This record gives sequence, C-alpha cells and structure tokens, in this order.
Amino acid sequence: AQKVTQAQTEISVVEKEDVTLDCVYETRDTTYYLFWYKQPPSGELVFLIRRNSFDEQNEISGRYSWNFQKSTSSFNFTITASQVVDSAVYFCALSEARWMDSSYKLIFGSGTRLLVRP
Amino acid sequence: NAGVTQTPKFQVLKTGQSMTLQCAQDMNHEYMSWYRQDPGMGLRLIHYSVGAGITDQGEVPNGYNVSRSTTEDFPLRLLSAAPSQTSVYFCASSPNGWTLHFGNGTRLTVT
Repeated sequence: AQKVTQAQTEISVVEKEDVTLDCVYETRDTTYYLFWYKQPPSGELVFLIRRNSFDEQNEISGRYSWNFQKSTSSFNFTITASQVVDSAVYFCALSEARWMDSSYKLIFGSGTRLLVRP
Repeated sequence: NAGVTQTPKFQVLKTGQSMTLQCAQDMNHEYMSWYRQDPGMGLRLIHYSVGAGITDQGEVPNGYNVSRSTTEDFPLRLLSAAPSQTSVYFCASSPNGWTLHFGNGTRLTVT
C-alpha cells in the first residue's frame, strides 16, 4: 500500500531562517510521482512541484529546493530565507504512474503547518 | 472566470439523512476528484473521474457515490450520513491529474 508520512506536525521559525519539511513515502511501485502542495490560510491548494521516480536530481526554484533520495524514500522540501508569506500548511503527496489514462490517485501526507514569525 | 465552484459552503445533517454536494468547473478539465480533509489526516481521496462517464474509487469511498454525466459536473452523494463523515470536502479539477484546481470547500457537520 502507498503511504506518505510527514512527521512534523507544526514548525515555527523566525523570518529569514532556513527550514526543511520532511516527507517519507512508502510504495511498492517502481514508477511513481511525488508532489508538494502549499495550502495558505485562504484554503486553496497550490501545486509546487512534481518529480518522477526516475529523476533523483535535486531541484531549486528560487528560495525553494527539493531533495529526492530514493535510498531513504524521502522527498524533503527546503525553504531558504523564509518569509512570513511562506506561512501555510504544506502537503507531500505520492501517486502511482498511470501512463495510459493519467489517472493520478494522489495519496497525501497529513501536512506540516509552517509558521514564519516576523 | 469561476474555476471550480462548490455548493453549499456549509451544511448540517442529521444522522441518516442524504444529500448531494455539488461541484462544477468551467475549465473543460477531464479529471475531477473529491477529497475530504480532516485534522491530522491530511487530504484523502474519496472518488475521482478521468472523464464523463468514468469514475473510480479513491482511498475512502465507502458511504459516498459519484457520477459524471457531463465534463463540467461531478456531484458527491452521501447516501446515509454518519457522524464520521463530518469533515471539510474539497472538489478539484485538473488538466493532467496532478495540477489540481480546488474549490473553496464544503464544511459538513453530521449530528
């Protein structure tokens, strides 16, 4: 069965600190996708990144970076120089790869609430 | 540009009552899905659809029915409400299955 664990329920940092959100996943599939989403206080879910299981290169997008390590089944998310606007709940998600019909069954972790204090 | 519209925003039901949560999107997305969000549980997939006439079960489908007669609409039916179904329900549509556009949610309380 697929499972995503975000052990950190809530993290509080002071603005400009770096923060890493952990994500550990379980799957029997050899081909799968991993995702991160942000849910700000307004409630909508914002897609941040998708990574397939064959691509273990780390990715950086501005202040965001992601570290995918298949050996430890982890897909961690780091925010550098955090800002108050980064305050949100962040979800990690996993999906098996369905090449034929793109029917992604996203399995979400329980989320990590990040509070960035001024 | 409405995006994904969910109605109602709030609902209180008594145990055993039935109701339908409405979801409509105007982006011509083939993929639509329903999630419930509970404290400490994150988002759990109830049902999803990859196009009109096609639906499939997610993680927690029991107690819920869906249908997809048109591309635009994806209603979620609670057949006989139970207190365990108290939750916030989100409908989402997607052009590709993973870039999810969520509605504003329906907060359901079952007493």
